[in-house]
Amino acid sequence: EAGVAQSPRYKIIEKRQSVAFWCNPISGHATLYWYQQILGQGPKLLIQFQNNGVVDDSQLPKDRFSAERLKGVDSTLKIQPAKLEDSAVYLCASSRQGLVETQYFGPGTRLLVL
Amino acid sequence: AQSVTQLGSHVSVSEGALVLLRCNYSSSVPPYLFWYVQYPNQGLQLLLKYTSAATLVKGINGFEAEFKKSETSFHLTKPSAHMSDAAEYFCAVRGYGGSQGNLIFGKGTKLSVKP
Repeated sequence: EAGVAQSPRYKIIEKRQSVAFWCNPISGHATLYWYQQILGQGPKLLIQFQNNGVVDDSQLPKDRFSAERLKGVDSTLKIQPAKLEDSAVYLCASSRQGLVETQYFGPGTRLLVL
Repeated sequence: AQSVTQLGSHVSVSEGALVLLRCNYSSSVPPYLFWYVQYPNQGLQLLLKYTSAATLVKGINGFEAEFKKSETSFHLTKPSAHMSDAAEYFCAVRGYGGSQGNLIFGKGTKLSVKP
């Protein structure tokens, strides 16, 4: 079974530029998550999708971050404009529906904002 | 609201020694608890999870954790450390209510293994 795929793996941009990340979850997984992991901290949820609907985006900075999951499969996360404090690893995870289901994580995209 | 606290941001053990990584949780409802491992430049991999069945949970790579409700703890142990265990370990609790389904992570504990 293929794992969660993410691209790009690394990205360096200047502040005020825009950037987009892509995630392809494990086939058949209805739930998709985007987490932000700042250096030295645990991952923090940004947004959670159930199929193509948003379940929780309470911690997403909506003035600059946006995310979509068209057709309930792939997802993109966009930052526009980026700030220095957005430097982090952005992790995508997917799971089957259910509270005890395991979340499987992709390798992440490491973003550096200069 | 749910939360987890990991005691010790860095733990160092000798190869062959006991590994003990501490995690305490706060939850107003019966918790679902998880331990994940993260190797450098990689995503997180599930080690084990507690879902209200047996209180002693066995995971991959020889790790296990014991759920202790009276102590609100879910410490991770391994009897004998191996060099390949060097990584960062995260304890997490499943969110409820508006954040139902997502994971709330601790700050992580970096494990070093000395030869």
